[in-house]
Amino acid sequence: DTAVSQTPKYLVTQMGNDKSIKCEQNLGHDTMYWYKQDSKKFLKIMFSYNNKELIINETVPNRFSPKSPDKAHLNLHINSLELGDSAVYFCASSHEPGRVNTEAFFGQGTRLTVV
Amino acid sequence: RKEVEQDPGPFNVPEGATVAFNCTYSNSASQSFFWYRQDCRKEPKLLMSVYSSGNEDGRFTAQLNRASQYISLLIRDSKLSDSATYLCVVISGSARQLTFGSGTQLTVLP
Repeated sequence: DTAVSQTPKYLVTQMGNDKSIKCEQNLGHDTMYWYKQDSKKFLKIMFSYNNKELIINETVPNRFSPKSPDKAHLNLHINSLELGDSAVYFCASSHEPGRVNTEAFFGQGTRLTVV
Repeated sequence: RKEVEQDPGPFNVPEGATVAFNCTYSNSASQSFFWYRQDCRKEPKLLMSVYSSGNEDGRFTAQLNRASQYISLLIRDSKLSDSATYLCVVISGSARQLTFGSGTQLTVLP
């Protein structure tokens, strides 16, 4: 069983389109995240979310929005896609950070290419 | 200054070599520390947590120096399969988010 699964694995789309990436975890974790990994391989936090609060990295454009229908899902919606949005997007989940030995489990990533 | 900074790399070492990576963090109130490993075109996976007293897992040793705000990872007797990018991760701040360093790429050569 896949612990953290995200779909699609590959996404090629035109500039200006709106797209969504889905993420689901079956680990019973209470916190989920979205990370963006750019061409330089730097993993940058976009959002973290648990049933208490949504924390948004202030540098993330408001074209990006997370949607969480329940604790096990955190989807990423992107409006008006731009060329610079091309990257690999990783979903992850963990117990609430700050607890001892918080391990984050990652999905396989979604490689987004905007053309 | 970035929250988490790592050796830029890349490191190219022969099999059997010992290699060490360092990572510094800016927030003195940081709470938890980890090393993750990311293989090419794969997701990051936890390698080991870093404890205040230092800890060892087989050929891997992690150290934490709170006074100087750095953590290190030592790999002894490198194997070809150790080739990957090693990511330093810190949990800090009121948001208690996992913040990743930019990663250090290691290639172990035959």
